[in-house]
Amino acid sequence: GQQVMQIPQYQHVQEGEDFTTYCNSSTTLSNIQWYKQRPGGHPVFLIQLVKSGEVKKQKRLTFQFGEAKKNSSLHITATQTTDVGTYFCAGRGAGGTSYGKLTFGQGTILTVHP
Amino acid sequence: DTEVTQTPKHLVMGMTNKKSLKCEQHMGHRAMYWYKQKAKKPPELMFVYSYEKLSINESVPSRFSPECPNSSLLNLHLHALQPEDSALYLCASSQDRGLVRNTIYFGEGSWLTVV
Repeated sequence: GQQVMQIPQYQHVQEGEDFTTYCNSSTTLSNIQWYKQRPGGHPVFLIQLVKSGEVKKQKRLTFQFGEAKKNSSLHITATQTTDVGTYFCAGRGAGGTSYGKLTFGQGTILTVHP
Repeated sequence: DTEVTQTPKHLVMGMTNKKSLKCEQHMGHRAMYWYKQKAKKPPELMFVYSYEKLSINESVPSRFSPECPNSSLLNLHLHALQPEDSALYLCASSQDRGLVRNTIYFGEGSWLTVV
């Protein structure tokens, strides 16, 4: 079945440092979605990428979708303490038995030291 | 603020109890979902309703019983649960299960503890 691997599992940074999390799918995706979950909270939708090679920015966050639509990354520039949380990617299958199904990566837990 | 509303926020139940989790959305979405999330793990899909019909059951034990009374409401009936079923239960909705650009929006979840 479809699998989405996400690394790293944990990332500790000093405030002001950059942060990147990577997702890699075993199958081609129709799209990929990114979520942020604060400690004790629920997943909050950040962005969706659909096109091959797509790059989207939200302030200090940059999201990329690979040319083959099998990998994606989230990069945060100059982290702040408000960036703390778990970042999940979720890939939607493009065909076969994976069609339409959203598969979550394991998440990257980000801690930011002031 | 999420537009998917879940009640109750917290629930403690015994293994012989029967309880229900409720979810409501008013975004006109036609797909609704139940996910289960354990600590430090990603959400795991349990059920998907599309146009009020159950379209996916991810081999969930029968002690969890979903119900979709109408396009805005989704319930999860709980009976004879085990302590290992303690988790955050997330309801979610999306415009349509089959659309490529199909963003899933989560509710705040119901924290369930089985004692």
